[in-house]
Amino acid sequence: ETAVFQTPNYHVTQVGNEVSFNCKQTLGHDTMYWYKQDSKKLLKIMFSYNNKQLIVNETVPRRFSPQSSDKAHLNLRIKSVEPEDSAVYLCASRTDKNERLFFGHGTKLSVL
Amino acid sequence: QQQVRQSPQSLTVWEGETAILNCSYENSAFDYFPWYQQFPGEGPALLIAIRSVSDKKEDGRFTIFFNKREKKLSLHITDSQPGDSATYFCAASPYTGANTGKLTFGHGTILRVHP
Repeated sequence: ETAVFQTPNYHVTQVGNEVSFNCKQTLGHDTMYWYKQDSKKLLKIMFSYNNKQLIVNETVPRRFSPQSSDKAHLNLRIKSVEPEDSAVYLCASRTDKNERLFFGHGTKLSVL
Repeated sequence: QQQVRQSPQSLTVWEGETAILNCSYENSAFDYFPWYQQFPGEGPALLIAIRSVSDKKEDGRFTIFFNKREKKLSLHITDSQPGDSATYFCAASPYTGANTGKLTFGHGTILRVHP
């Protein structure tokens, strides 16, 4: 049963545009994440965030930024998309008591 | 630099056979090793996990064998079913005490089970 909700499912845009993806979790978890899954299916962490701390993977370009209104929501904004940003973006959450990650279904971004 | 490596890239077995998926890692600080299962159009879901203090973890048809000295582990799926057809990711994270949950994933193994 899905408890991490992502919108939209797909997004097609052009180079240079700004995009924003939404993520909401209904599990009452403390920490949320954004992962990028590339065309070869490799998953790489981009951000982890709880209400105390944002941890950024140092390889993430500065045009990416997470936005959180509360601990149940973590959105992702990309200021000016590049072709290499085409990927599936996966949101995940976990409780601080357990290492298990719960993933959403992902948002597939295509940059033309 | 890929710290978690998986092999094979893809694997095809017949229904009822045992599928063996391999994983190796480089970072000696890695302590926790989950396997995630991903179906097309969905996010990964935790299948089974092991800590480095154990050499085996079993859950139904799924078993992890872990060799700390060689930095290798494998996932065995016995009596494979067509519904097991998915991509399997080996992942690893260090024990940090603070439990940051930062996982390093392998590239995955695509498993196909033919009826």
